[in-house]
Amino acid sequence: KAGVTQTPRYLIKTRGQQVTLSCSPISGHRSVSWYQQTPGQGLQFLFEYFSETQRNKGNFPGRFSGRQFSNSRSEMNVSTLELGDSALYLCASRLDSLNTEAFFGQGTRLTVV
Amino acid sequence: AQSVTQPDIHITVSEGASLELRCNYSYGATPYLFWYVQSPGQGLQLLLKYFSGDTLVQGIKGFEAEFKRSQSSFNLRKPSVHWSDAAEYFCAVRSNFGNEKLTFGTGTRLTIIP
Repeated sequence: KAGVTQTPRYLIKTRGQQVTLSCSPISGHRSVSWYQQTPGQGLQFLFEYFSETQRNKGNFPGRFSGRQFSNSRSEMNVSTLELGDSALYLCASRLDSLNTEAFFGQGTRLTVV
Repeated sequence: AQSVTQPDIHITVSEGASLELRCNYSYGATPYLFWYVQSPGQGLQLLLKYFSGDTLVQGIKGFEAEFKRSQSSFNLRKPSVHWSDAAEYFCAVRSNFGNEKLTFGTGTRLTIIP
């Protein structure tokens, strides 16, 4: 069974631009979460989507947004990019029941110049 | 609020030696606990998980972890490490209410020497 797929793997953007990252969850998984990983802050939760609704949100500014489609695929968008947004963005999917674990994709490496 | 502490930033062990990576958590009830491993530039791979029941859990690649409620710990162990175990290891906690917010520790980087 295919794992979590994130596209693109690498991205270089200029400060002030916006970017959209994509995540395709494991088939049958309806919960999709996003995390930001940086050397300084570590792994931080951005938000979680389930059935096209944002169910949980981390402590990030409104420039960070996401959405989920009816096929459970998810996108996250960052507007007005700042240098500090350079990070590895990880997507995770999970079956939505209590005793289940999250499976992560390979991540998208975003570099803001 | 839940939190995770991994007190060791970097550990170096010889190939074939035993390994223990420490993890302490803070959470009001019994949490769900996880260990993930990350190779450079890669995503996170789940090593093992604890939801309930037997406090000693077995994972992939010969790893195990023990949940100790009295110490709020979930330490990861391996009896004999291999050079391929060199990576970064993250302990994580999630509430048992069903919402998907993993809180991660800062990670422990493992170096294996011949």
